Amino acid sequence: DAGITQSPRHKVTETGTPVTLRCHQTENHRYMYWYRQDPGHGLRLIHYSYGVKDTDKGEVSDGYSVSRSKTEDFLLTLESATSSQTSVYFCAISDPRIYEQYFGPGTRLTVT
Amino acid sequence: SQKIEQNSEALNIQEGKTATLTCNYTNYSPAYLQWYRQDPGRGPVFLLLIRENEKEKRKERLKVTFDTTLKQSLFHITASQPADSATYLCALQNYGGSQGNLIFGKGTKLSVKP
Repeated sequence: DAGITQSPRHKVTETGTPVTLRCHQTENHRYMYWYRQDPGHGLRLIHYSYGVKDTDKGEVSDGYSVSRSKTEDFLLTLESATSSQTSVYFCAISDPRIYEQYFGPGTRLTVT
Repeated sequence: SQKIEQNSEALNIQEGKTATLTCNYTNYSPAYLQWYRQDPGRGPVFLLLIRENEKEKRKERLKVTFDTTLKQSLFHITASQPADSATYLCALQNYGGSQGNLIFGKGTKLSVKP
């Protein structure tokens, strides 16, 4: 987890409220990713970024938006949280010269 | 349909034995395949990467093989130890996909008993 932090680490929120999760890296890696991990589904890519202000959708992007105004920060926003978005969210980073990804510690989000 | 499957949800072995985990894929053309380890409550940690033109990769007690004909990767841990107990994930990067757009299997939970 070195070099990648996620905040908050735990959050409980109500259906319909907006939620923003933050990923911060100190590695200066160009690529950043948001995944969700659910029992029975494994890790699924929500959105990713290949540079400042350059983002694209992953497999399960509906209901999520992202922003990246600085190399080190990648924000994931749930505009109006639903119970189906209860999950563990992981941020990851990688460098285009290598292919392995480095993951943050995760954020456990519960939508009631 | 496209699938990536790790055949066992759980694998229990005795300390000192070799653990072999399987990752099969359908309707993908992987440029490379990666293996990660995940401990409870933690993010995945990268272990090994193998490219589609490589047959085998080793790192200490770990070995990965990649057979594009069988559409399968095998992950071996030799002389297993209780500290190797964790969930192991395979992930592939498909040709034509954006770099880093990995598709993950659901994982195999390995338990090594003393």
